Amino acid sequence: QSALTQPASVSGSPGQSISISCSGTRSDVGSYDLVSWYQQHPGKAPKLMIYEVTKRPSGVSNRFSGSKSGNTASLTISGLQADDEADYYCCSYAGSSTSWVFGGGTKLTVL
Amino acid sequence: EVQLVESGGGLVQPGGSLRLSCAASGFTFSSYSMNWVRQAPGKGLEWVSYISSSSNTIYYADSVKGRFTISRDNAKNSLYLQMNSLRDEDTAVYYCARGYGDYDYWGQGTLVTVSS
Repeated sequence: QSALTQPASVSGSPGQSISISCSGTRSDVGSYDLVSWYQQHPGKAPKLMIYEVTKRPSGVSNRFSGSKSGNTASLTISGLQADDEADYYCCSYAGSSTSWVFGGGTKLTVL
Repeated sequence: EVQLVESGGGLVQPGGSLRLSCAASGFTFSSYSMNWVRQAPGKGLEWVSYISSSSNTIYYADSVKGRFTISRDNAKNSLYLQMNSLRDEDTAVYYCARGYGDYDYWGQGTLVTVSS
């Protein structure tokens, strides 16, 4: 069960847009539309931001959007705000024998 | 209001055992799949185990297979994780999380420290 690959860090200025990639394989991201994204502030539990690649839970800002192309999923945050500064994790289904796998996490810094 | 409250963490020696619990409230527990997800200090999230709403389907990460057992009691609205043969690398905050990949609610976590 190898972790999905995310950049260790990304940064952007308030108001800008950034994207975080999540690279997997044909066995996980590439085969299932079951990719989710989580935001985690220090010392807090993760919060679901995107599920099933593109869907947003009720209450999550429409500044957050998800997409997928081939074996890579992406999270885009538009109109960056100071409170968006957090760690972000992707997660994908990887089949019944492997089940679920997370990415290594990306630290977003809002400059 | 949906609430998930973990308990049972603590300090245990390598090779020891621990049983975590997760008390659920504010939703129909018996209708939802549940999971355990852990996070080692300063590290990322790692999915540990999954159990379907009726306990018919159970999955484990390779790193815990054969050592950990997930279970639930729908009558008590509770989720459990029996952890045996604990290793240093099992040290982490353990979260219970609701859902099937879309983990929409999480507990606050309980810290398990494996050390001699």
